[in-house]
Amino acid sequence: EAGVVQSPRYKIIEKKQPVAFWCNPISGHNTLYWYLQNLGQGPELLIRYENEEAVDDSQLPKDRFSAERLKGVDSTLKIQPAELGDSAVYLCASSFGTSGGGREQFFGPGTRLTVL
Amino acid sequence: GENVEQHPSTLSVQEGDSAVIKCTYSDSASNYFPWYKQELGKGPQLIIDIRSNVGEKKDQRIAVTLNKTAKHFSLHITETQPEDSAVYFCAAKGPTGGFKTIFGAGTRLFVKA
Repeated sequence: EAGVVQSPRYKIIEKKQPVAFWCNPISGHNTLYWYLQNLGQGPELLIRYENEEAVDDSQLPKDRFSAERLKGVDSTLKIQPAELGDSAVYLCASSFGTSGGGREQFFGPGTRLTVL
Repeated sequence: GENVEQHPSTLSVQEGDSAVIKCTYSDSASNYFPWYKQELGKGPQLIIDIRSNVGEKKDQRIAVTLNKTAKHFSLHITETQPEDSAVYFCAAKGPTGGFKTIFGAGTRLFVKA
């Protein structure tokens, strides 16, 4: 069974440029998460989807970050414009069932973003 | 909201020795405590989890203990092997804050052959 797929794996951009990350969750997983992981830190939730609905986006900096999950499957996270402080690893995860059920989250390999 | 603290930040052990990583949490309503292992260039992978109605859980060389009164939980790895070298994260989740999983800062484990 294929795991969570993310692309690109690495991205280098100049500040003020836009960037987009794509995630394909495990088939059948209705909950999808985007996390930010800074160097030497644990993942921090940016946004959580249950099917097409964003049920928790309280940590998403909405002035420059946006996300969508069309048809409740793939998801895209966008940053526009990128800032130096956005350099980090962006992780996508998915799980089966609703978040309240304590279900295992499966993580993708992440996209390492470097903003110059 | 929930806050999870993890210690130590770095741990070095000799192959065959045991390794213990400790975490504390702040929200007494948290009821699910997973542990993740992250290898270089990969995403975190669940290795064991425990729910608040259980005090201890074991899976081969890995065990987790939970003390709800003290609000702390620990990961125990016995007979460590070089392939156990990685970063380990504890996490806590519960109804407060909408079932958001809060991760500790991680422990980098080195197992010396």
